[in-house]
Amino acid sequence: ELKVEQNPLFLSMQEGKNYTIYCNYSTTSDRLYWYRQDPGKSLESLFVLLSNGAVKQEGRLMASLDTKARLSTLHITAAVHDLSATYFCAVDVNSGYALNFGKGTSLLVTP
Amino acid sequence: SQTIHQWPATLVQPVGSPLSLECTVEGTSNPNLYWYRQAAGRGLQLLFYSVGIGQISSEVPQNLSASRPQDRQFILSSKKLLLSDSGFYLCAWSVSEVKLFFGSGTQLSVL
Repeated sequence: ELKVEQNPLFLSMQEGKNYTIYCNYSTTSDRLYWYRQDPGKSLESLFVLLSNGAVKQEGRLMASLDTKARLSTLHITAAVHDLSATYFCAVDVNSGYALNFGKGTSLLVTP
Repeated sequence: SQTIHQWPATLVQPVGSPLSLECTVEGTSNPNLYWYRQAAGRGLQLLFYSVGIGQISSEVPQNLSASRPQDRQFILSSKKLLLSDSGFYLCAWSVSEVKLFFGSGTQLSVL
């Protein structure tokens, strides 16, 4: 059974600081996704990583994928309050028919 | 452009009552369709997915069922709700192996 583990599950950080969220998964996959969820809202796609070494950046967020280590990272640079949300990673292990999600990382950015 | 509609947005139902949640997709043909559930404080759990009309795959044994009567319609049902069925239900679609697009979600409270 595929396991997708995120850490930390909760993160409180000050504005302007940098931090990294980690996503480990237990079986071979070369497709990994990052989503953002605001409280009470649906999930918004952030990044799609489709190969080993893939790196995607948008604004203050940068995601990377190391398929050999079965690890993806979501790096936050100079955090701002608007980044407060829950971030999920998800792994595709069934030919694209389903994604397995981590439990999410609840991020709170404080002044 | 493609859109996904999911309703109702919130639902409060007594234990033992039936359930029907509906999801429709516009602007695309033959999408893969999914039902996910997000319990409080937990990640997303894949419940069902469908690659075509009448084709339903169940990921988790439960008292829920799904049907796909039309190409772009996906319905989640239960004959008798349990307390443990409470959660945030998300419908999603994809047309490639790249990423999922989520609906706005239904917050179900079973009392």
